[in-house]
Parts: sequence; structure tokens; C-alpha cells
Amino acid sequence: DSGVTQTPKHLITATGQRVTLRCSPRSGDLSVYWYQQSLDQGLQFLIQYYNGEERAKGNILERFSAQQFPDLHSELNLSSLELGDSALYFCASSVQGSHNEQFFGPGTRLTVL
Amino acid sequence: LAKTTQPISMDSYEGQEVNITCSHNNIATNDYITWYQQFPSQGPRFIIQGYKTKVTNEVASLFIPADRKSSTLSLPRVSLSDTAVYYCLVGEGSGYSTLTFGKGTMLLVSP
Repeated sequence: DSGVTQTPKHLITATGQRVTLRCSPRSGDLSVYWYQQSLDQGLQFLIQYYNGEERAKGNILERFSAQQFPDLHSELNLSSLELGDSALYFCASSVQGSHNEQFFGPGTRLTVL
Repeated sequence: LAKTTQPISMDSYEGQEVNITCSHNNIATNDYITWYQQFPSQGPRFIIQGYKTKVTNEVASLFIPADRKSSTLSLPRVSLSDTAVYYCLVGEGSGYSTLTFGKGTMLLVSP
């Protein structure tokens, strides 16, 4: 158990819909990262927040957005969903000075029908 | 970000030592080398990290030559449960830098 929690574990929805994925980092970790993993694309970095502020952006679509709240939990919002958005979405957290040791959550499996 | 190259797949047998080499020719002075392990449908798990020479922990060793242009993850006496994808990553070690995962190396351990 990494200490990072993600909800829900599974999500099935239809094209065009909007969903919200939630992540709670390990206690004390200020950084939260979101990744998307699909069969054909591998593990792709989406976005990072540090202590409530956006720190870095990766291959995140404009239909996707995220935020980190004062209690440090984070939400990833996916809208106008397409079939190709079906994937595993991982959240990870780290503490400053950890030299790239990120702790990953169990993931949310999103299926878009 | 330094690009990494590692074998797509490797096969081994239980009890053998497995060495997975990663090349990172453009590694920067501030970059650390980190290895992650991922089982199917699970998030990656940190294995080991190093900057130079050799690092050892309870599960693996990491060998980094003086020029740091490559690194080798060594898994002693692998078991079936070591079957997983192993990722080599290179990045600045501030603790809040982003990680770029490549395709990784799929290690298959057979009986």
C-alpha cells in the first residue's frame, strides 16, 4: 500500500459525458501527479500540482483539467469523453527533495462506451 | 529531459540474476537515475535510485559507470513474482520534477 488513495476504482460512462477522478496523496506529500496509461500509449504524464498550484503540464488534453485543493487532495476532470479516453488513470505523490521517488495510487480504470 | 533506451523484453528463469541495462547518453549533471517496477493494472513502484557508482537496497542493485551514460539494474535470484515491466527514468532530483516513462522492459520469469 503506497498510501495514495484514488476513487473510484472503476468508472464506466458514455461518450460525451464528464467524470471526476479523485486522489488523496500520502500524508505530508505536497506534490500530486496525474498519469494516463492506455495499451497503445504507455504511461503518459498529464499534469502536476505542488501545494495547490499547477507546476508542470504534460500531454494533457484541453478537455481535461485538474486542481489541487487546500487539503492537498486533487481531482482530475475529464469532459466530452471519447472512446479513446478509456484508460487507467494514476495519481502519484511525492515530497520535495525525494529525488524523483513518486508513490503511485492503485489507479482508476475508466471505460468509455 | 534525457532520453532513455532499454530493451523491450527479457526472459529469465527462477533463481537467476537479471541485469537490465539502460542507456541515457544525454544525462545532465543534476539528473538522478531511477527505476520503477509495474505489475499489470497496478501503479508503478519505486525500486531504486542512484546518482553514481553503486547503490544497493533490499531488492536490487544499481550500477552506474563513471560517465553515467548508462546504468544497470540488477535483480538477484529472481522469482516468478518479479515478472513485471521495469522502467528506467532520468530526471532532475528536486523531488517535484516530472517523470517521463518510456516503454520499459518487460521481464518474464519462467519456472
